[in-house]
Amino acid sequence: IAGITQAPTSQILAAGRRMTLRCTQDMRHNAMYWYRQDLGLGLRLIHYSNTAGTTGKGEVPDGYSVSRANTDDFPLTLASAVPSQTSVYFCASSATSGYNEQFFGPGTRLTVL
Amino acid sequence: ELKVEQNPLFLSMQEGKNYTIYCNYSTTSDRLYWYRQDPGKSLESLFVLLSNGAVKQEGRLMASLDTKARLSTLHITAAVHDLSATYFCASGGTYKYIFGTGTRLKVLA
Repeated sequence: IAGITQAPTSQILAAGRRMTLRCTQDMRHNAMYWYRQDLGLGLRLIHYSNTAGTTGKGEVPDGYSVSRANTDDFPLTLASAVPSQTSVYFCASSATSGYNEQFFGPGTRLTVL
Repeated sequence: ELKVEQNPLFLSMQEGKNYTIYCNYSTTSDRLYWYRQDPGKSLESLFVLLSNGAVKQEGRLMASLDTKARLSTLHITAAVHDLSATYFCASGGTYKYIFGTGTRLKVLA
């Protein structure tokens, strides 16, 4: 693994179904993030984690949950998907010292019908 | 409400021309980040600006930060087609970053 990986690459999901988007990093970054990207709205922060065992809410957390059991993994769960959650989801990570620049995964394109 | 606003949102320019993208932010953070995104791809970090007056340059791109005006600029010199992409600025730190809506740059041959 090099950098950040996300799975799946894309997914079509029926409304009401549960879905977990996976994110794994190998850079030993303490902080991890989930964003959604929608046309005309840029990237909006859903949830973040500053270290294993702790999480926080971002700008648009409703309908999403996260966990951070270890440093490397930060899964995002949609408990009951709705069409408004159709988006491209990016996971990112950053060190918690120095520049704090974020490194992004390749993204997951999710369509909820 | 904390905001990061970019303008223009769309920029079409001829090769060889110069232009500037503006990023205004209302957050209290003095850290400003620029990212590039190619169509269908992820975001790539371009510049990290950490203090007032900071200037960073890479090739035909130069970014600057004025924390008193809460303004960052991304200047493009003698544009080439390979610079066509969407450029995002982001402000924040301590985990809560706010992104601008992006400037879609198209460089015409």
